[in-house]
Amino acid sequence: NAGVTQTPKFQVLKTGQSMTLQCAQDMNHEYMSWYRQDPGMGLRLIHYSVGAGITDQGEVPNGYNVSRSTTEDFPLRLLSAAPSQTSVYFCASSYDRMAGNTEAFFGQGTRLTVV
Amino acid sequence: AQSVAQPEDQVNVAEGNPLTVKCTYSVSGNPYLFWYVQYPNRGLQFLLKYITGDNLVKGSYGFEAEFNKSQTSFHLKKPSALVSDSALYFCAVSQAGTALIFGKGTTLSVSS
Repeated sequence: NAGVTQTPKFQVLKTGQSMTLQCAQDMNHEYMSWYRQDPGMGLRLIHYSVGAGITDQGEVPNGYNVSRSTTEDFPLRLLSAAPSQTSVYFCASSYDRMAGNTEAFFGQGTRLTVV
Repeated sequence: AQSVAQPEDQVNVAEGNPLTVKCTYSVSGNPYLFWYVQYPNRGLQFLLKYITGDNLVKGSYGFEAEFNKSQTSFHLKKPSALVSDSALYFCAVSQAGTALIFGKGTTLSVSS
C-alpha cells in the first residue's frame, strides 16, 4: 500500500514556465487536496476535490489549476510560474466512506523553486 | 469560514515535564479536529482526531488532546515530554464535505 505518492520531489523552474505536480493515492479516498507550506504561514489550501469530476478553490488558488478525472489522481498545474510560487507543496487524501476514516494522509512533498 | 489559531510559535519544555500545545478554532457547525506532526524535511503525520464522543482523545506516541466546545479549543498534551518529540505541530479543522484548514504551526523544542 503506497499511500499518497507525489512526483517530483524537487523541481527548479524559470519564471513563466509551466509544469504539473503529480499526486496519486491508492486508498480509494474521495477527498484530495493540495497545500503549499511557507515559513511562518503553515499549510495553506490551494485547491481540493471531494470526488472525481468535482474540484473547488481553497485559500490561495491563483496561478494554479487542477482536475480530477479519476479517484486516484489529482494533478496540480502551474500555468506560468512566478517566484512567489517558490514553496513546498503537499498533496493529501482523506475520507474512505466505506471505512469511515476521516484523517488525511500526506505525500512527502515537492520542493519547488522558481528563479 | 473555518479557521484555526495556534497562539504560540514555539513551546520549550524540559524532557520529562508535561507539555501543552494550544489550539483554538472557529467553525459554524460541528468540527472535526486533528493534530499532525511534521519532522524536518518530511510530510505530515497524523497524531489524533476528535469527531464526536469522548472529549478526551488519545493518539500516537502518548499524545492526547481535549476538546472543549465552550472554549472552542483542542489543546494537545503529553504527560512527559521526550527529546524525540521535538518537531513542528499543526492543528487542523474540517467539516463534512470540506478540506482540512490548518493553523500556522507550533515548534516544540524539548531539551535534555
